[in-house]
Amino acid sequence: ILNVEQSPQSLHVQEGDSTNFTCSFPSSNFYALHWYRWETAKSPEALFVMTLNGDEKKKGRISATLNTKEGYSYLYIKGSQPEDSATYLCAFAPSNTDKLIFGTGTRLQVFP
Amino acid sequence: EPEVTQTPSHQVTQMGQEVILRCVPISNHLYFYWYRQILGQKVEFLVSFYNNEISEKSEIFDDQFSVERPDGSNFTLKIRSTKLEDSAMYFCASRFRTSGTNEQFFGPGTRLTVL
Repeated sequence: ILNVEQSPQSLHVQEGDSTNFTCSFPSSNFYALHWYRWETAKSPEALFVMTLNGDEKKKGRISATLNTKEGYSYLYIKGSQPEDSATYLCAFAPSNTDKLIFGTGTRLQVFP
Repeated sequence: EPEVTQTPSHQVTQMGQEVILRCVPISNHLYFYWYRQILGQKVEFLVSFYNNEISEKSEIFDDQFSVERPDGSNFTLKIRSTKLEDSAMYFCASRFRTSGTNEQFFGPGTRLTVL
């Protein structure tokens, strides 16, 4: 059974704080690791797709790293803003299938 | 910007009734998916569809479920006889043919409530 875990489950931070979440996934049969940002009543929005060990990607104040050998990825948000409040989902794409396997998500709330 | 759309946003039905959830994938995408999230649980894969046939399905996707692409734009999920445990948020997703990273674009979901 392929298991993807995320921590923490929820996080409350003050505006301006930096924060990070973890996604752990199987280290075998790796194809890609996806991060999505999901606001209630909206479509999950793709943030990053990461494929190579050691990958580091950045989009504005949000960045992500990837370690495929040990099976983890970190998502960082620098200087959190209230509009960053959302659930952040990671999804593991195994090499032998077309499906995505999701973690439980980290629900972030940023207070002004 | 092209997006995946889903209708209805919320569907309430009685146990044993048939429901059809509708999705319009992004127009030049050729791979289509359904996922669901039961409240408090992970988003889980149901089925993938390519070239007018199912390419992969999970153990959840039993004979009560079916998918169809009835025309060039819609992609539907039918549940023949709904059960209480089918209550969930159902997401449609689509992917471009040559996406080397399996990047899937998601719709906003249909919340299905079975009473």
